[in-house]
Amino acid sequence: SQQGEEDPQALSIQEGENATMNCSYKTSINNLQWYRQNSGRGLVHLILIRSNEREKHSGRLRVTLDTSKKSSSLLITASRAADTASYFCATGFNNAGNMLTFGGGTRLMVKP
Amino acid sequence: KAGVTQTPRYLIKTRGQQVTLSCSPISGHRSVSWYQQTPGQGLQFLFEYFSETQRNKGNFPGRFSGRQFSNSRSEMNVSTLELGDSALYLCASSDWTGGNYGYTFGSGTRLTVV
Repeated sequence: SQQGEEDPQALSIQEGENATMNCSYKTSINNLQWYRQNSGRGLVHLILIRSNEREKHSGRLRVTLDTSKKSSSLLITASRAADTASYFCATGFNNAGNMLTFGGGTRLMVKP
Repeated sequence: KAGVTQTPRYLIKTRGQQVTLSCSPISGHRSVSWYQQTPGQGLQFLFEYFSETQRNKGNFPGRFSGRQFSNSRSEMNVSTLELGDSALYLCASSDWTGGNYGYTFGSGTRLTVV
């Protein structure tokens, strides 16, 4: 079963605008990760934030984590058409091996 | 370094047949995990292997099985295929840190059961 939900399920914006995606999860986590998927291909790891971190940046990406609310957000600034993809959050709880639990994903379309 | 390689890329099988998918992880990575992606259920964890041992297993029937070889390459097998097994199957590899720096996924094998 999926860990949680992502919001919105679909997002359409113009190039240059910012895109914000939210993720909620249900159980305790060690870390939360964001992945991108283009047209049903493999997942590409974007950024990982640990449970003791609140915010992390990587290029045009900003991720926040609120463990009290069991939620995270991914902000993509100055979006480009090439950012068009599905974005998934995944929670990791690695005490007994490697296993990711994914959210349902947000389909982002960036119009040129 | 080379990425995660999954073969074959596409596969069409008939109901009742069995299928074997292969995954070669990044050199030096000892953990390989498998995921199933369908439009209805999303991304679901199948199982994880580390140093030839299955460490975790998702909630899938016994028709789904896997193994890992001494060179860390992994295979998953699905027996008695059902139409609902049609999906994109993804494998992911990670190093000894256990995914603390994220996982590297292959491009997937798209299985169609007819």
